[in-house]
Amino acid sequence: QKEVEQDPGPLSVPEGAIVSLNCTYSNSAFQYFMWYRQYSRKGPELLMYTYSSGNKEDGRFTAQVDKSSKYISLFIRDSQPSDSATYLCAMIGNQGGKLIFGQGTELSVKP
Amino acid sequence: GAVVSQHPSWVICKSGTSVKIECRSLDFQATTMFWYRQFPKQSLMLMATSNEGSKATYEQGVEKDKFLINHASLTLSTLTVTSAHPEDSSFYICSARGGQSLVEQYFGPGTRLTVT
Repeated sequence: QKEVEQDPGPLSVPEGAIVSLNCTYSNSAFQYFMWYRQYSRKGPELLMYTYSSGNKEDGRFTAQVDKSSKYISLFIRDSQPSDSATYLCAMIGNQGGKLIFGQGTELSVKP
Repeated sequence: GAVVSQHPSWVICKSGTSVKIECRSLDFQATTMFWYRQFPKQSLMLMATSNEGSKATYEQGVEKDKFLINHASLTLSTLTVTSAHPEDSSFYICSARGGQSLVEQYFGPGTRLTVT
């Protein structure tokens, strides 16, 4: 079993839709939860991160962490064609070490 | 956010030759740098972690004699793929972390290596 599971998609939605991206994990030591966006043939870009449980909002993006269920989500409101990319979740514990990435979900927002 | 650059962005080399990829943190001091490899439609695979002035720590299964990593300064790390073979063709991405933050890890734009 992988430490972090993420549905690779692809996920296709119409412009303006609400997108929900999710990851599950097995290691209860994870405390920091990140979401990266990666455009084709580019490096990942940190979108936002959350510490422990709770919600965090940044513009059209909302990150949620439910540590009791070991489940994290990224919501994108009013999705735009420019949001088309691969979204990777990543996690790390308080003691540092290496980021553990999910497989990434390929998102396509159709005009 | 902080900027990390990589050079070259794309390189083609012949089998048996060596290729060097540079990773620079442009506006911060990177105490730790990471090298990843990514195959199409797959996630990032960590190859090694390096701290400035120390030997790199390689992940299991990564040949350290084939993938030479040097982190000589707080703003520069290099990855040299020695005696490259077609199976080394991949997208190589570096990232850099400065200070004590665990989450502020910034990625370079990647280098596409094609070995013919």
